[in-house]
Amino acid sequence: SQKIEQNSEALNIQEGKTATLTCNYTNYSPAYLQWYRQDPGRGPVFLLLIRENEKEKRKERLKVTFDTTLKQSLFHITASQPADSATYLCALKDSSYKLIFGSGTRLLVRP
Amino acid sequence: DAGVIQSPRHEVTEMGQEVTLRCKPISGHNSLFWYRQTMMRGLELLIYFNNNVPIDDSGMPEDRFSAKMPNASFSTLKIQPSEPRDSAVYFCASSLEVGRGSEQYFGPGTRLTVT
Repeated sequence: SQKIEQNSEALNIQEGKTATLTCNYTNYSPAYLQWYRQDPGRGPVFLLLIRENEKEKRKERLKVTFDTTLKQSLFHITASQPADSATYLCALKDSSYKLIFGSGTRLLVRP
Repeated sequence: DAGVIQSPRHEVTEMGQEVTLRCKPISGHNSLFWYRQTMMRGLELLIYFNNNVPIDDSGMPEDRFSAKMPNASFSTLKIQPSEPRDSAVYFCASSLEVGRGSEQYFGPGTRLTVT
């Protein structure tokens, strides 16, 4: 069956460290993958998109990798700050037009 | 731009009542999506419109749910009759176009509680 898996346990790190979040998928061949941030009581906000022919994408302190062989995307936040604390969702485009979302990983950055 | 606008932000209703959720997408966006988010099932796509036309409603749970988009600036999601298991946060999202990687812009959501 098709699955998108993100670590359901919260990631708790110290301010200044690099946060690394994982998104694994099975039985999909996505053309691209997106990452969103969601704060409590708010809708998800788009952060980055990476296409299947791209290995890595960067935006300021954010970096996303996409390994179609491993069927995995990694999302990194360098020099993390307490303001980065939120839930991060990965989403992939399936064979149609739909975006399929993972369940998200909560990140807590301690000051 | 005000972003995607949803109303109401919170809705509490009794089982059996009709509920109507409203959405105004970002001007110029051709695609509109309705999602439902729960702790158990995460973010689920309910229905998708392109140029005001419903393209895929396969995510709509059952006949009690219906959605319309009478024009490019307004959409509704209706639940009739509502049930306690419909309690969730309902998001509307819009994008410039579908399929080419256009990011989706989400509204603030409507938190629905059915007692």
